[in-house]
Amino acid sequence: EDQVTQSPEALRLQEGESSSLNCSYTVSGLRGLFWYRQDPGKGPEFLFTLYSAGEEKEKERLKATLTKKESFLHITAPKPEDSATYLCAVGGGGFKTIFGAGTRLFVKA
Amino acid sequence: AAGVIQSPRHLIKEKRETATLKCYPIPRHDTVYWYQQGPGQDPQFLISFYEKMQSDKGSIPDRFSAQQFSDYHSELNMSSLELGDSALYFCASSKAPQGTGANVLTFGAGSRLTVL
Repeated sequence: EDQVTQSPEALRLQEGESSSLNCSYTVSGLRGLFWYRQDPGKGPEFLFTLYSAGEEKEKERLKATLTKKESFLHITAPKPEDSATYLCAVGGGGFKTIFGAGTRLFVKA
Repeated sequence: AAGVIQSPRHLIKEKRETATLKCYPIPRHDTVYWYQQGPGQDPQFLISFYEKMQSDKGSIPDRFSAQQFSDYHSELNMSSLELGDSALYFCASSKAPQGTGANVLTFGAGSRLTVL
Protein backbone atom coordinates (compact mmCIF):
# COMPACT_ATOMS: atom_id res chain seq x y z
CA GLU A 1 0.00 0.00 0.00
CA ASP A 2 1.26 3.47 -0.90
CA GLN A 3 2.35 5.36 2.19
CA VAL A 4 3.87 8.74 3.02
CA THR A 5 5.43 9.56 6.38
CA GLN A 6 6.57 13.04 7.32
CA SER A 7 8.80 14.17 10.17
CA PRO A 8 8.90 16.01 12.41
CA GLU A 9 5.19 16.59 13.11
CA ALA A 10 5.96 20.13 14.21
CA LEU A 11 9.04 22.32 13.98
CA ARG A 12 9.68 25.59 15.76
CA LEU A 13 12.45 27.80 14.38
CA GLN A 14 13.81 31.23 15.06
CA GLU A 15 13.86 33.57 12.10
CA GLY A 16 17.03 32.85 10.12
CA GLU A 17 17.48 29.35 11.60
CA SER A 18 17.76 26.92 8.67
CA SER A 19 16.41 23.37 8.91
CA SER A 20 15.02 20.45 6.89
CA LEU A 21 11.72 18.57 6.72
CA ASN A 22 11.68 14.89 5.87
CA CYS A 23 9.28 12.85 3.75
CA SER A 24 9.68 9.08 3.51
CA TYR A 25 7.58 7.19 1.02
CA THR A 26 6.76 3.72 -0.17
CA VAL A 27 4.89 3.48 -3.43
CA SER A 28 4.58 0.92 -6.16
CA GLY A 29 5.78 2.99 -9.07
CA LEU A 30 6.49 6.59 -8.14
CA ARG A 31 4.76 8.98 -10.52
CA GLY A 32 5.91 12.16 -8.87
CA LEU A 33 6.76 13.47 -5.41
CA PHE A 34 4.96 16.70 -4.57
CA TRP A 35 5.39 19.35 -1.91
CA TYR A 36 2.47 21.58 -0.99
CA ARG A 37 2.10 24.40 1.50
CA GLN A 38 -1.14 24.73 3.46
CA ASP A 39 -2.17 27.74 5.51
CA PRO A 40 -4.85 27.31 8.21
CA GLY A 41 -8.36 26.89 6.74
CA LYS A 42 -7.10 26.99 3.16
CA GLY A 43 -6.46 24.46 0.45
CA PRO A 44 -2.96 23.11 -0.18
CA GLU A 45 -0.90 25.22 -2.57
CA PHE A 46 1.57 23.57 -4.92
CA LEU A 47 5.30 24.16 -4.38
CA PHE A 48 7.38 21.53 -6.19
CA THR A 49 7.27 18.33 -8.20
CA LEU A 50 10.18 15.89 -8.29
CA TYR A 51 10.17 12.84 -10.52
CA SER A 52 13.54 11.12 -10.26
CA ALA A 53 16.21 10.45 -7.62
CA GLY A 54 18.85 13.15 -7.55
CA GLU A 55 16.48 15.84 -8.77
CA GLU A 56 16.46 19.18 -6.94
CA LYS A 57 14.22 22.24 -7.21
CA GLU A 58 14.44 25.64 -5.56
CA LYS A 59 12.04 28.47 -4.91
CA GLU A 60 13.10 31.45 -2.82
CA ARG A 61 14.11 30.05 0.60
CA LEU A 62 12.92 26.52 -0.17
CA LYS A 63 14.81 23.67 -1.81
CA ALA A 64 13.41 20.19 -2.40
CA THR A 65 15.53 17.11 -3.02
CA LEU A 66 14.62 13.51 -3.83
CA THR A 67 16.21 10.11 -3.26
CA LYS A 68 14.75 6.68 -3.97
CA LYS A 69 13.16 6.49 -0.53
CA GLU A 70 12.74 10.02 0.75
CA SER A 71 12.55 13.70 0.01
CA PHE A 72 13.79 16.67 1.97
CA LEU A 73 12.46 20.20 2.03
CA HIS A 74 15.29 22.49 3.10
CA ILE A 75 14.37 25.89 4.46
CA THR A 76 17.17 28.43 4.43
CA ALA A 77 16.99 31.49 6.69
CA PRO A 78 13.21 31.20 7.21
CA LYS A 79 10.96 34.16 7.89
CA PRO A 80 7.75 34.28 9.94
CA GLU A 81 5.70 34.27 6.72
CA ASP A 82 7.07 30.77 6.01
CA SER A 83 5.00 29.48 8.94
CA ALA A 84 2.53 26.93 7.53
CA THR A 85 1.94 23.20 7.23
CA TYR A 86 4.10 21.59 4.57
CA LEU A 87 2.55 18.53 2.97
CA CYS A 88 4.38 15.87 1.01
CA ALA A 89 2.43 13.76 -1.46
CA VAL A 90 3.16 11.00 -3.94
CA GLY A 91 1.48 10.18 -7.20
CA GLY A 92 0.81 6.48 -7.08
CA GLY A 93 -1.18 4.21 -9.31
CA GLY A 94 -4.11 5.56 -11.28
CA PHE A 95 -5.38 9.00 -10.36
CA LYS A 96 -4.51 8.89 -6.67
CA THR A 97 -2.26 11.40 -4.96
CA ILE A 98 -1.51 10.26 -1.41
CA PHE A 99 -0.64 12.86 1.22
CA GLY A 100 1.45 12.64 4.35
CA ALA A 101 0.28 14.09 7.66
CA GLY A 102 2.38 17.21 7.16
CA THR A 103 4.92 19.15 9.18
CA ARG A 104 3.64 22.24 10.96
CA LEU A 105 6.34 24.89 10.79
CA PHE A 106 6.39 27.84 13.17
CA VAL A 107 8.95 30.57 12.56
CA LYS A 108 9.35 33.13 15.31
CA ALA A 109 10.64 36.63 14.64
CA ALA B 1 -6.53 33.24 -13.42
CA ALA B 2 -9.60 31.22 -12.59
CA GLY B 3 -9.22 28.85 -9.66
CA VAL B 4 -11.16 25.87 -8.35
CA ILE B 5 -14.46 27.09 -6.95
CA GLN B 6 -16.18 25.27 -4.11
CA SER B 7 -19.56 25.92 -2.58
CA PRO B 8 -20.80 26.36 -0.01
CA ARG B 9 -17.79 27.49 2.00
CA HIS B 10 -19.47 26.66 5.27
CA LEU B 11 -22.29 24.24 6.02
CA ILE B 12 -23.93 23.25 9.29
CA LYS B 13 -26.10 20.15 9.41
CA GLU B 14 -27.75 17.95 12.03
CA LYS B 15 -26.99 14.25 12.44
CA ARG B 16 -28.74 12.02 9.90
CA GLU B 17 -29.27 14.95 7.51
CA THR B 18 -28.00 15.15 3.93
CA ALA B 19 -25.47 17.59 2.47
CA THR B 20 -24.29 18.36 -1.06
CA LEU B 21 -20.98 20.04 -1.88
CA LYS B 22 -20.21 21.48 -5.30
CA CYS B 23 -16.92 21.93 -7.13
CA TYR B 24 -16.18 23.84 -10.32
CA PRO B 25 -12.74 22.93 -11.71
CA ILE B 26 -10.30 25.14 -13.53
CA PRO B 27 -11.37 25.55 -17.19
CA ARG B 28 -9.95 22.78 -19.41
CA HIS B 29 -9.16 20.58 -16.41
CA ASP B 30 -10.87 17.25 -17.01
CA THR B 31 -10.13 15.53 -13.70
CA VAL B 32 -11.66 16.28 -10.31
CA TYR B 33 -10.61 14.91 -6.94
CA TRP B 34 -12.32 15.03 -3.55
CA TYR B 35 -10.41 15.01 -0.27
CA GLN B 36 -11.56 15.04 3.35
CA GLN B 37 -9.38 16.72 5.97
CA GLY B 38 -10.16 16.39 9.68
CA PRO B 39 -8.69 18.81 12.23
CA GLY B 40 -4.91 18.48 12.32
CA GLN B 41 -4.98 15.60 9.84
CA ASP B 42 -3.72 15.08 6.32
CA PRO B 43 -6.08 15.26 3.37
CA GLN B 44 -7.64 11.83 2.83
CA PHE B 45 -8.41 10.92 -0.78
CA LEU B 46 -12.08 10.11 -1.29
CA ILE B 47 -12.73 9.77 -5.01
CA SER B 48 -11.76 11.13 -8.42
CA PHE B 49 -13.43 11.56 -11.78
CA TYR B 50 -12.02 11.81 -15.28
CA GLU B 51 -14.23 12.77 -18.19
CA LYS B 52 -17.36 12.22 -16.08
CA MET B 53 -16.39 8.68 -15.12
CA GLN B 54 -15.12 7.58 -11.73
CA SER B 55 -11.39 7.10 -12.15
CA ASP B 56 -10.27 6.12 -8.66
CA LYS B 57 -11.78 5.44 -5.27
CA GLY B 58 -10.27 5.98 -1.85
CA SER B 59 -11.71 5.96 1.64
CA ILE B 60 -15.14 7.26 0.68
CA PRO B 61 -17.93 5.96 2.98
CA ASP B 62 -20.85 4.12 1.40
CA ARG B 63 -23.09 6.96 2.67
CA PHE B 64 -21.30 9.31 0.28
CA SER B 65 -21.63 9.47 -3.47
CA ALA B 66 -20.23 11.76 -6.10
CA GLN B 67 -20.49 12.46 -9.78
CA GLN B 68 -19.02 14.67 -12.47
CA PHE B 69 -21.35 16.41 -14.87
CA SER B 70 -21.09 17.27 -18.57
CA ASP B 71 -19.69 20.74 -17.75
CA TYR B 72 -17.02 18.98 -15.61
CA HIS B 73 -18.31 20.32 -12.32
CA SER B 74 -18.64 17.74 -9.58
CA GLU B 75 -20.93 17.22 -6.61
CA LEU B 76 -20.30 15.25 -3.44
CA ASN B 77 -23.47 13.99 -1.81
CA MET B 78 -23.35 12.95 1.83
CA SER B 79 -26.28 11.23 3.52
CA SER B 80 -27.04 10.05 7.06
CA LEU B 81 -24.46 12.49 8.35
CA GLU B 82 -22.52 11.55 11.46
CA LEU B 83 -20.58 13.72 13.89
CA GLY B 84 -17.36 12.27 12.51
CA ASP B 85 -18.13 13.67 9.07
CA SER B 86 -17.31 17.15 10.36
CA ALA B 87 -14.27 18.19 8.35
CA LEU B 88 -12.91 20.36 5.59
CA TYR B 89 -13.76 18.93 2.19
CA PHE B 90 -11.41 19.93 -0.57
CA CYS B 91 -11.92 19.61 -4.26
CA ALA B 92 -8.93 19.68 -6.59
CA SER B 93 -8.64 19.60 -10.34
CA SER B 94 -5.99 18.78 -12.90
CA LYS B 95 -5.51 17.68 -16.44
CA ALA B 96 -5.57 13.89 -16.61
CA PRO B 97 -2.22 12.24 -15.90
CA GLN B 98 -0.22 11.89 -19.09
CA GLY B 99 2.40 9.23 -19.57
CA THR B 100 4.27 8.17 -16.47
CA GLY B 101 3.86 11.32 -14.40
CA ALA B 102 1.07 12.34 -12.05
CA ASN B 103 -0.23 15.86 -12.47
CA VAL B 104 -0.16 18.77 -10.07
CA LEU B 105 -3.42 19.25 -8.22
CA THR B 106 -4.93 22.70 -7.85
CA PHE B 107 -7.08 22.87 -4.76
CA GLY B 108 -10.13 24.93 -3.97
CA ALA B 109 -10.55 26.83 -0.73
CA GLY B 110 -12.58 24.00 0.78
CA SER B 111 -16.05 23.52 2.24
CA ARG B 112 -16.22 23.30 6.02
CA LEU B 113 -18.93 20.89 7.12
CA THR B 114 -20.04 20.90 10.75
CA VAL B 115 -22.40 18.16 11.90
CA LEU B 116 -24.20 18.86 15.17
